[in-house]
Amino acid sequence: QITLKESGPTLVKPTQTLTLTCTFSEFSLSTSGVGVGWIRQPPGKALEWLALIYWDDDKRYSPSLKSRLTITKDTSKNQVVLTMTNMDPVDTATYYCAHTFIAPTSTVSFDYWGQGTLVTVSS
Amino acid sequence: DIVMTQTPLSSPVTLGQPASISCRSSQSLVHIDGNTYLSWLQQRPGQPPRLLIYKISNRFSGVPDRFSGSGAGTDFTLKISRVEAEDVGVYYCMQTTQFPYTFGQGTKLEIK
Repeated sequence: QITLKESGPTLVKPTQTLTLTCTFSEFSLSTSGVGVGWIRQPPGKALEWLALIYWDDDKRYSPSLKSRLTITKDTSKNQVVLTMTNMDPVDTATYYCAHTFIAPTSTVSFDYWGQGTLVTVSS
Repeated sequence: DIVMTQTPLSSPVTLGQPASISCRSSQSLVHIDGNTYLSWLQQRPGQPPRLLIYKISNRFSGVPDRFSGSGAGTDFTLKISRVEAEDVGVYYCMQTTQFPYTFGQGTKLEIK
């Protein structure tokens, strides 16, 4: 069974850089078609897609946050790291990582999700 | 960006009765490969989202057959044939046809 788990700080100060790690199992980011994405959800609000990295190191970002985001992968550790610079209180949210797979017969959606990690931005 | 608009935003339903949620996209979700990458996700209280339906009408593994999806182009619908207590939560449509991926605002399903 595919599993993903997010880790990182629960509290960051305004202007600081947030670094989140997604550690996953039962799939490999070296397999053709596999991707891992990040999605966030402010308290009581809707989901917002942030970034996605594929097996071939293709990276996609939300245009509204692109200047602040960096996504990388460590295939040997089964990890994906998201960094977000210049954090602000409006970035307070639960951050999720999720698995995707692009192939003709696959979901091409986020089919497995981590439990999420709540990040609060406050001084 | 493709804007996803869901209606209603809140849906009180009687147990055992059907429920329906609509999702409209600001532009066609037909991909150049011919597929339409419209998904439905369920988020129960305090839980992460869970994939229910992908490519308009395909149920993901383990999803009960009381959930069904339909639609084409820009208009899509999620139907629950007979609502059960465990169906309470927020439902989101999501498009993965074009970057940036986008979600609807969510529809809260609650029991009357």
